[in-house]
Amino acid sequence: AQSVTQLGSHVSVSEGALVLLRCNYSSSVPPYLFWYVQYPNQGLQLLLKYTTGATLVKGINGFEAEFKKSETSFHLTKPSAHMSDAAEYFCAVTSGTALIFGKGTTLSVSS
Amino acid sequence: DAGVTQSPTHLIKTRGQQVTLRCSPKSGHDTVSWYQQALGQGPQFIFQYYEEEERQRGNFPDRFSGHQFPNYSSELNVNALLLGDSALYLCASSDPRGPFSSGANVLTFGAGSRLTVL
Repeated sequence: AQSVTQLGSHVSVSEGALVLLRCNYSSSVPPYLFWYVQYPNQGLQLLLKYTTGATLVKGINGFEAEFKKSETSFHLTKPSAHMSDAAEYFCAVTSGTALIFGKGTTLSVSS
Repeated sequence: DAGVTQSPTHLIKTRGQQVTLRCSPKSGHDTVSWYQQALGQGPQFIFQYYEEEERQRGNFPDRFSGHQFPNYSSELNVNALLLGDSALYLCASSDPRGPFSSGANVLTFGAGSRLTVL
């Protein structure tokens, strides 16, 4: 069965610092992997996705993620955090045509 | 271009009651999925509808049922409400080429319907 583990329920960074949100997956088939962001009182917005091909995936708002099959990881990074990045971030893996989400990581950004 | 719209945005019910939530997919999308997001948790897949049929179902009891209409809009029904059903219910629509296309898992989410069961 497919599953996702997000390490760290809460990450705090200073504005301008590197953002690293960790995601490990388990999948019995080649996975499609996603990162979504959720702002308060809103639905989820797609940040980026990995399906096949290039393992370094660039998304919106300066975020990127690297698929590492040997480590079963898909960590999300951003070189320089901005106050507007404060939100809940979810990693997800496909299961059939559904998505299996992790429990989420809350990113706080301080000035 | 309108995205996914859901109604109502908030509602309060009591245990044992029934609730119906509604969803209109993004223009051009024909597949609708429903997710339950409990407080502090990630979304959990309930089911997916395509061509007016339930195509895939998550680990939810039969109290949760749905429907898709010819115009691709969808309803989620929950019977015999329990306190544990309190959550944000998210509707998502996806690629018009159907659930087996490469873009099928790229979901566009609505803002959700927040259900409180007292």
